[in-house]
Amino acid sequence: GQQLNQSPQSMFIQEGEDVSMNCTSSSIFNTWLWYKQEPGEGPVLLIALYKAGELTSNGRLTAQFGITRKDSFLNISASIPSDVGIYFCAGMNYGGSQGNLIFGKGTKLSVKP
Amino acid sequence: GAGVSQSPSNKVTEKGKDVELRCDPISGHTALYWYRQRLGQGLEFLIYFQGNSAPDKSGLPSDRFSAERTGESVSTLTIQRTQQEDSAVYLCASSLRSSTGLNEQFFGPGTRLTVL
Repeated sequence: GQQLNQSPQSMFIQEGEDVSMNCTSSSIFNTWLWYKQEPGEGPVLLIALYKAGELTSNGRLTAQFGITRKDSFLNISASIPSDVGIYFCAGMNYGGSQGNLIFGKGTKLSVKP
Repeated sequence: GAGVSQSPSNKVTEKGKDVELRCDPISGHTALYWYRQRLGQGLEFLIYFQGNSAPDKSGLPSDRFSAERTGESVSTLTIQRTQQEDSAVYLCASSLRSSTGLNEQFFGPGTRLTVL
């Protein structure tokens, strides 16, 4: 089945630093989503991407849908302590009976004040 | 409420017992999804509902797992004869489902299941 490789697995950074993480897929998707999960909670949607090459920002977050449709990256600028959590990428091909998102294994972000 | 809700938030059961987990999706969301998340792992797809029917059950790990949805609203995930490897957080999500593909999934807080 489709697999997503998400990297890095974890990051330890200093407050104020920029962060970059990415996902690659063995096959194409027509939707990429980025989620953040904090302990004891469900994932919260950060950014949704629907077009190859699309670059979308949400505050200090920027995500891009790769032109090959097999990859996506998420950047966080000027990190702050509340950015701590696990970030998941997810890919999907909508339409038909296939309804599920394929999730990466997550990038655990730790921010030192 | 405005978001997806799940109950119970925590469930501890003995091996061999049956459990039922409930999900209340966002009102008006036609699609509903169940995922399993083991400790420190990513999300594993279980089943997807469009309305009250389940076109994709491909993720259910065994015939001990079943789910239903009624009234295009509430869904119940049932695990029969629970095993210790069933211990995980079970997450529910809902979305609008449209031909334009605008179907971002919104997640509930999950049910943490512990099988002793």
